[in-house]
Amino acid sequence: GQNIDQPTEMTATEGAIVQINCTYQTSGFNGLFWYQQHAGEAPTFLSYNVLDGLEEKGRFSSFLSRSKGYSYLLLKELQMKDSASYLCAVPDSNYQLIWGAGTKLIIKP
Amino acid sequence: ETGVTQTPRHLVMGMTNKKSLKCEQHLGHNAMYWYKQSAKKPLELMFVYNFKEQTENNSVPSRFSPECPNSSHLFLHLHTLQPEDSALYLCASSQEGGTGANVLTFGAGSRLTVL
Repeated sequence: GQNIDQPTEMTATEGAIVQINCTYQTSGFNGLFWYQQHAGEAPTFLSYNVLDGLEEKGRFSSFLSRSKGYSYLLLKELQMKDSASYLCAVPDSNYQLIWGAGTKLIIKP
Repeated sequence: ETGVTQTPRHLVMGMTNKKSLKCEQHLGHNAMYWYKQSAKKPLELMFVYNFKEQTENNSVPSRFSPECPNSSHLFLHLHTLQPEDSALYLCASSQEGGTGANVLTFGAGSRLTVL
């Protein structure tokens, strides 16, 4: 079957760096998505990785290793507004997304 | 504003009530989705409409009934719900058939409480 695992909750300090991991098991592979969801708001698209390696977008970077079934989201220079849940998702064979339960990131001053 | 608008944002209903959730997208997308989000659980895909045709129904109980009158509007009709149906219901849209990632744009959700 298909499965996605990510930590339930993480805490980090303002100004620091945090890495949120995601491991997946799928029958095929059609890329991996990261979304951000602030409490009470819509999930919003952060990144999409289909090839191995690191993709950087400002303070946020996303890494993928297809051979290890592993991805991480790296957040640098953390700000209080980065407190949110971070959702990892991969498409199934019908290209519908299978989601992890999300990682709640708490930023402390 | 994401371009996907959901109403109402909050809804409380009894188990015998009938209510509807509404979703409207202003992005010109051709696919729309209903998801259920419960605390500490993964998003659950309920229904997918592609060009107004339902293409996915993930074994959702018949007390949930979707309607897609056109590619911009999506409804979720609710009747005789159970307390375990209390959750955040998210609508999303996307442009299917293009190259690259099929990115979903979500609405802010309708928080449903069933008493």
